[in-house]
Amino acid sequence: GESVGLHLPTLSVQEGDNSIINCAYSNSASDYFIWYKQESGKGPQFIIDIRSNMDKRQGQRVTVLLNKTVKHLSLQIAATQPGDSAVYFCAESYGQNFVFGPGTRLSVLP
Amino acid sequence: DAGVIQSPRHEVTEMGQEVTLRCKPISGHNSLFWYRQTMMRGLELLIYFNNNVPIDDSGMPEDRFSAKMPNASFSTLKIQPSEPRDSAVYFCASSFGLAGGLIEQYFGPGTRLTVT
Repeated sequence: GESVGLHLPTLSVQEGDNSIINCAYSNSASDYFIWYKQESGKGPQFIIDIRSNMDKRQGQRVTVLLNKTVKHLSLQIAATQPGDSAVYFCAESYGQNFVFGPGTRLSVLP
Repeated sequence: DAGVIQSPRHEVTEMGQEVTLRCKPISGHNSLFWYRQTMMRGLELLIYFNNNVPIDDSGMPEDRFSAKMPNASFSTLKIQPSEPRDSAVYFCASSFGLAGGLIEQYFGPGTRLTVT
């Protein structure tokens, strides 16, 4: 029989280009957000976080933008490299509640 | 730091058998999380503990699943009896912070379970 699986959005980018991965979060009261990266065969790994009192936070080659008005979070990766190929999850939290998004697969083309 | 340690890394068992997955969180962390990941359903939170006490087990699929945390350095997830639909990668994660809530979680390498 046909199997139905979770369809992950996929973003394909050329090596060296910038990548933007988007996430719509669900709870307007969420006050803390994290982006995780999951490489094949490994567990998710923390990349960068942001609190709701900020709208932008920068790390090394990565920037997270938060737009609370439209409940939108984005992860920007500068000069995308083959090692950036992975599934990226956004996660939101409020108090004792937290939710992981379904993930976006980033594929880096040579 | 060795990070979160999970064992076994791979487990193949027959339907009806008992399966026990083990996790050692990062020393000093006070929250521990069990997740299941499948192609069908993505990453699902099963249960989490804070200071060895279960806080939310609403994600545990059914009575066949049970989790314990007898001390701050060890947790088990048991499936009895196992079924083919339990086949998945099971992740353990730990963090340090307030009860519940999403804070920086450190994930283990996962246990890939196959039930035939």
